[in-house]
Amino acid sequence: EAGVTQFPSHSVIEKGQTVTLRCDPISGHDNLYWYRRVMGKEIKFLLHFVKESKQDESGMPNNRFLAERTGGTYSTLKVQPAELEDSGVYFCASSQDSSSEPIFSYNEQFFGPGTRLTVL
Amino acid sequence: AQSVTQLGSHVSVSEGALVLLRCNYSSSVPPYLFWYVQYPNQGLQLLLKYTSAATLVKGINGFEAEFKKSETSFHLTKPSAHMSDAAEYFCAVSSTGFQKLVFGTGTRLLVSP
Repeated sequence: EAGVTQFPSHSVIEKGQTVTLRCDPISGHDNLYWYRRVMGKEIKFLLHFVKESKQDESGMPNNRFLAERTGGTYSTLKVQPAELEDSGVYFCASSQDSSSEPIFSYNEQFFGPGTRLTVL
Repeated sequence: AQSVTQLGSHVSVSEGALVLLRCNYSSSVPPYLFWYVQYPNQGLQLLLKYTSAATLVKGINGFEAEFKKSETSFHLTKPSAHMSDAAEYFCAVSSTGFQKLVFGTGTRLLVSP
């Protein structure tokens, strides 16, 4: 079974340009998460989809970031216009459906390899 | 709000020596705690998790961690380091099984022959 995949693996753009990152979760996983790690700092949560709906977008830094999840399958994260401080590694993770699980259980988040974004 | 502190951005050990990576957490609710490992050019992989069952948790590759509520700690240990353990390790906390993970800054483990 394929794991979480992310495209591209690396992206180098200039300040002011637009970049779109893509994440394909594990098939059948309803939960999809985006995280970001800025150089030398902690991995920070950006947002959480349940199917096509945004469950929690409290970590989105500003309105230059737009995340979508078409039909509850793959997700895109667009940065427009990109700024220098957006550089970092963007991780995507997915986990199984939570609706049928008791609240105290845990569904493992499976992570993709990340997209390294460099804004010059 | 939840937070995680990992002491030491780099830890160096010799092959065969004890590995100890420190993690302290802050949480206003009973936490779920995790250790993830990232090998070069790969995604994060779950090593082990604490979800309010046994306080001593065993994970993959011989790693284990002990949840100590009184010390708000969840340190990761392995009795004998192997060269293949060289990687970056992240401690994380969550308030439930389905919500966001809050990560520490990571600890890079270096293993020398």
